[in-house]
Amino acid sequence: GAVVSQHPSWVICKSGTSVKIECRSLDFQATTMFWYRQFPKQSLMLMATSNEGSKATYEQGVEKDKFLINHASLTLSTLTVTSAHPEDSSFYICSARSVTDPTDTQYFGPGTRLTVL
Amino acid sequence: QKEVEQNSGPLSVPEGAIASLNCTYSDRGSQSFFWYRQYSGKSPELIMFIYSNGDKEDGRFTAQLNKASQYVSLLIRDSQPSDSATYLCAVLKGSNYKLTFGKGTLLTVNP
Repeated sequence: GAVVSQHPSWVICKSGTSVKIECRSLDFQATTMFWYRQFPKQSLMLMATSNEGSKATYEQGVEKDKFLINHASLTLSTLTVTSAHPEDSSFYICSARSVTDPTDTQYFGPGTRLTVL
Repeated sequence: QKEVEQNSGPLSVPEGAIASLNCTYSDRGSQSFFWYRQYSGKSPELIMFIYSNGDKEDGRFTAQLNKASQYVSLLIRDSQPSDSATYLCAVLKGSNYKLTFGKGTLLTVNP
């Protein structure tokens, strides 16, 4: 149980274009999902907390107009990187917390590797 | 003082040995503690969580929590080369469900 998927697993795009990444909880409902970014050999950096049916909460320093988050259902959250630039190239990972899990454990998706040319 | 601190390593142990990974945290209000394993180029996967003082065992893994000392550890018995990865300690506090991660400890198990 507690499986989280992401799509796509990798994407290459041109500078200036937008890229959408999907995060799905496959066997549980997730009112809260989280989006992280990880650069090579660095730790996870939380970008934002996504709550179903409400606006995302962004961490300090993360541009909300650049990283658009939508959590329209209890099993799907999307992250759109708008007007992507080479410095946005990174490993984007989502995690989800089950509505019914009292331990508040976060289960991670497999990640999306974004390369902006 | 960093919120969650781990020795970055690398920690190198021979196959079959016990690997001991340590983590300290600064906020006494922290509620739950998680250990994740991350292989190079992959996302983190949950190993186990602990929220009560004492030991918690799951197969070859034992998590230990000492809230008075603000210390949590992970022991890996009979270490295998496949255990070679970065181990992340994460701490949960507050009602926003956010985890605070340490920078991770790189473990290498030598055959």
